[in-house]
Amino acid sequence: GENVEQHPSTLSVQEGDSAVIKCTYSDSASNYFPWYKQELGKRPQLIIDIRSNVGEKKDQRIAVTLNKTAKHFSLHITETQPEDSAVYFCAASKGGSYIPTFGRGTSLIVHP
Amino acid sequence: DSGVTQTPKHLITATGQRVTLRCSPRSGDLSVYWYQQSLDQGLQFLIQYYNGEERAKGNILERFSAQQFPDLHSELNLSSLELGDSALYFCASSPGGVEEKLFFGSGTQLSVL
Repeated sequence: GENVEQHPSTLSVQEGDSAVIKCTYSDSASNYFPWYKQELGKRPQLIIDIRSNVGEKKDQRIAVTLNKTAKHFSLHITETQPEDSAVYFCAASKGGSYIPTFGRGTSLIVHP
Repeated sequence: DSGVTQTPKHLITATGQRVTLRCSPRSGDLSVYWYQQSLDQGLQFLIQYYNGEERAKGNILERFSAQQFPDLHSELNLSSLELGDSALYFCASSPGGVEEKLFFGSGTQLSVL
């Protein structure tokens, strides 16, 4: 089955800095890559996603890049703010199977 | 608000007991997923239902079972509870088909004492 590795497990940055979270997947048939943000005590919420026919997608301060050859995708957050502090999960899934496989999560801490 | 409703929000029970967690998906969503999240752990997939039928199973213990009813709400039954079953249980829904975006409920925090 699919295996998703996520790094780092913890990321600490100063407000205003950029943050990058990286994920690798094992199944080359995976074609959908969502990212979820989970604030402390809250539910995971989809913040951005990308499909395999796209190399990059941006939404304001967040962007996701995908390298299909390397089976690697990343979340980029620019100009980080304290409210960006949360656990971020990447996931991968493929057509015909609707179960996303999640990474283990990255705890992002943004210091004011 | 994701539109997914989970009840109860908190549940405290004793070892050996049985509990039922309930989930109402977003209006129109056919697919329901159950996930377990233990302290400092990721999201462990338990089981998925699509339009009343079991579609996929993950790391779900035999002591756990689930079902999806004709009105599409779902219940997760946990029996012979052990201390290690204490966790946050999330339900998520999606439209099904090729739409894989998950909308999570606020979770049920289960504490087994």
